[in-house]
Amino acid sequence: AQTVTQSQPEMSVQEAETVTLSCTYDTSESDYYLFWYKQPPSRQMILVIRQEAYKQQNATENRFSVNFQKAAKSFSLKISDSQLGDAAMYFCAYMEGAGSYQLTFGKGTKLSVIP
Amino acid sequence: SAVISQKPSRDICQRGTSLTIQCQVDSQVTMMFWYRQQPGQSLTLIATANQGSEATYESGFVIDKFPISRPNLTFSTLTVSNMSPEDSSIYLCSVEEAGRGSEQFFGPGTRLTVL
Repeated sequence: AQTVTQSQPEMSVQEAETVTLSCTYDTSESDYYLFWYKQPPSRQMILVIRQEAYKQQNATENRFSVNFQKAAKSFSLKISDSQLGDAAMYFCAYMEGAGSYQLTFGKGTKLSVIP
Repeated sequence: SAVISQKPSRDICQRGTSLTIQCQVDSQVTMMFWYRQQPGQSLTLIATANQGSEATYESGFVIDKFPISRPNLTFSTLTVSNMSPEDSSIYLCSVEEAGRGSEQFFGPGTRLTVL
């Protein structure tokens, strides 16, 4: 079974600084998708960024970017110019490329932004 | 993007009773899912709600405990039956509009407390 590991239960960052959240995963598949979801205190899960495994180029969405290392099975999220609104739980998630719509989530990293 | 609502947003229930959670989407979607998020934990997929047929349950979840209905392409219900305090969790529905690997949109969740 696929597993997703987030080794940092909590992180903090100064406003306007950069922070990187770590995620590793275990799979024997070559075709899959990876996601970072944000869950603020309101509980609403919001997709931050997604990456297709077949794409070598790292995904970028404004201040959010990933470092996807397929061989190392690593998928870290970098948040640049951190803002107070970035404070939330961040979940890394994996989806197999064929035969399943199931998202497998990591345990999450709680990010605090210090003014 | 799909807009998803859930009712109730929260509830406090007595042991041994049942609660039905509703999930309404503002557009027709093929795939609908139900997740559980136990306190301080990540999300775990309960089942895929299939329109016109029985739901597909993940390992550890059974129909007798979590019966699911999907009468049409915009609505689904999840019932938590014969509740115990261990069922205290946030229950979230999600939908996927455009096919495997696309973004899953999540509802705001239902916070259930069982006394």
